[in-house]
Amino acid sequence: GAVVSQHPSWVICKSGTSVKIECRSLDFQATTMFWYRQFPKQSLMLMATSNEGSKATYEQGVEKDKFLINHASLTLSTLTVTSAHPEDSSFYICSAPDRGHDTEAFFGQGTRLTVV
Amino acid sequence: KQEVTQIPAALSVPEGENLVLNCSFTDSAIYNLQWFRQDPGKGLTSLLLIQSSQREQTSGRLNASLDKSSGRSTLYIAASQPGDSATYLCAVPVGGSQGNLIFGKGTKLSVKP
Repeated sequence: GAVVSQHPSWVICKSGTSVKIECRSLDFQATTMFWYRQFPKQSLMLMATSNEGSKATYEQGVEKDKFLINHASLTLSTLTVTSAHPEDSSFYICSAPDRGHDTEAFFGQGTRLTVV
Repeated sequence: KQEVTQIPAALSVPEGENLVLNCSFTDSAIYNLQWFRQDPGKGLTSLLLIQSSQREQTSGRLNASLDKSSGRSTLYIAASQPGDSATYLCAVPVGGSQGNLIFGKGTKLSVKP
């Protein structure tokens, strides 16, 4: 299957700082990538859709000024958590559909963010 | 609004047993259903993708079935092994977009040696 690489796999940061998470499609191009968040014992929930060359679209309740998304190329999307607070601590994971695989969704390794 | 439910939430079995994980969804108008495996603190590994026109898919010891009319899918694992221990998630797309997936909370499987 297709490979999606996410970095870093875990990060600890202080309250008020910003953290950038990268998501790369390694062997295919992705005009669209998706960012999910998973709180403990909860389902994965879609946060936003990252569109190459245009603005991201955010799900209801997700602050676009807090979670900045940039999709500068066909293989890279970044999520920046700005002015992080402890309640932002969560598991963040990206996905990209590969149209060459019946549009199957492939996921990165995820990033465990802990804000202290 | 689509809702996905997985039962049981956790399952512990001895090595070698065959087992079934259940997934149900409220809106039967789905394009496909995907089963994933998630290891602790790790990302998701796609196991099987069943298109709406298919009734089942097989990969090795895994067999997934889909019954759209009843809103159900099952994941059958044959001859379970300790390495199968993980959380298993099922997900369906919103509309035709494989990006916006609605996930269940998962079934945490533990296979004891």
